[in-house]
Amino acid sequence: DAGVTQSPTHLIKTRGQQVTLRCSPKSGHDTVSWYQQALGQGPQFIFQYYEEEERQRGNFPDRFSGHQFPNYSSELNVNALLLGDSALYLCASSFQYRSPLHFGNGTRLTVT
Amino acid sequence: KQEVTQIPAALSVPEGENLVLNCSFTDSAIYNLQWFRQDPGKGLTSLLLIQSSQREQTSGRLNASLDKSSGRSTLYIAASQPGDSATYLCAVSGTGGFKTIFGAGTRLFVKA
Repeated sequence: DAGVTQSPTHLIKTRGQQVTLRCSPKSGHDTVSWYQQALGQGPQFIFQYYEEEERQRGNFPDRFSGHQFPNYSSELNVNALLLGDSALYLCASSFQYRSPLHFGNGTRLTVT
Repeated sequence: KQEVTQIPAALSVPEGENLVLNCSFTDSAIYNLQWFRQDPGKGLTSLLLIQSSQREQTSGRLNASLDKSSGRSTLYIAASQPGDSATYLCAVSGTGGFKTIFGAGTRLFVKA
């Protein structure tokens, strides 16, 4: 039973560029949430997708956008990258947005 | 706005000691509370989930309690081992199960 998978594992981008991160949820899960975790801090909620719609959004600018596909996989897009966007980006999946969250190993994004 | 606080921020104990990690939250209208473990640079591993109607959950050497009215949860680790060294994160989900909010975590080091 595959867990939550994220790609790529590491990414280095330059300020101003755009990046796309990908997430495949755990088998049987239909809800995907994205989190940003800066070094030494807890994960910060970006947004949550269920039934291909954004259901909840945290305090992140519009530069952060996402998408959920019919197979429940999801993408996180970040435009006009800033140095402060450097972080570990975590994807979590659950069943119908109410069951325990299961996390992937994350994508480490470095913006130079 | 829900805020989650974890005390202490860091803890160092000798092997074999029993210990308690604390989590407090400001809005008692929660759907569930989840404790996670995170190893350096890795994703989060779910340890215990407590639904809002429950008082505690146990798994092996771990016991988590929830006092919703006072906005507190504790994670009790019995007979600590060096392999327990990690960051422990507390997370609460609001009513409806959306938008899980994390504390900053407690960094635990168990000395052999």
